[in-house]
Amino acid sequence: GESVGLHLPTLSVQEGDNSIINCAYSNSASDYFIWYKQESGKGPQFIIDIRSNMDKRQGQRVTVLLNKTVKHLSLQIAATQPGDSAVYFCAEMGSGQAGTALIFGKGTTLSVSS
Amino acid sequence: KAGVTQTPRYLIKTRGQQVTLSCSPISGHRSVSWYQQTPGQGLQFLFEYFSETQRNKGNFPGRFSGRQFSNSRSEMNVSTLELGDSALYLCASSHRTGKSNTGELFFGEGSRLTVL
Repeated sequence: GESVGLHLPTLSVQEGDNSIINCAYSNSASDYFIWYKQESGKGPQFIIDIRSNMDKRQGQRVTVLLNKTVKHLSLQIAATQPGDSAVYFCAEMGSGQAGTALIFGKGTTLSVSS
Repeated sequence: KAGVTQTPRYLIKTRGQQVTLSCSPISGHRSVSWYQQTPGQGLQFLFEYFSETQRNKGNFPGRFSGRQFSNSRSEMNVSTLELGDSALYLCASSHRTGKSNTGELFFGEGSRLTVL
């Protein structure tokens, strides 16, 4: 069945370092992937998305890489700041599926120390 | 532009009771979806409504139901509450239309339900 998982439940970095959060997915038919950030007491916040016809997409201080061969997704955060501390989720949506039924991974907690 | 608003933010119920949660989407968004978040199961899709019609449904028992009104506001209901229903219930709205499966979901801050 479909599942989206993350390699590490926690990641601790120093302020200014680059952070890499990984995610593995199992459904090769998935064609849309999203990264969300959830701060304590808040709902998930959209960070960046990528379609399966792309390998890389960049945003402000963030880059998402998609490796379809090994079904791997990563989120890179440049110059990590204390405000980046949160739980990060990857999510996928299957090919041909209409609507908004995202399948979320379990999340990685990013802790940034100054 | 106001974000997604969910009410109530916190509530406590006892087993066997029922609960109704409300969600007001961002103005102009016609798609509203609901997710359950628990420490053990993470974020799980409950259902999605688009133009007052349920478009997708997750793998939850029939005790979980929802509806959407003509102004796109949505409610979800859980009947015969069980201890395991304790969770953060998140609503998300989107400007997605038709059969598109892309586009940002905007989440509310959730309704935290505790079942005693």
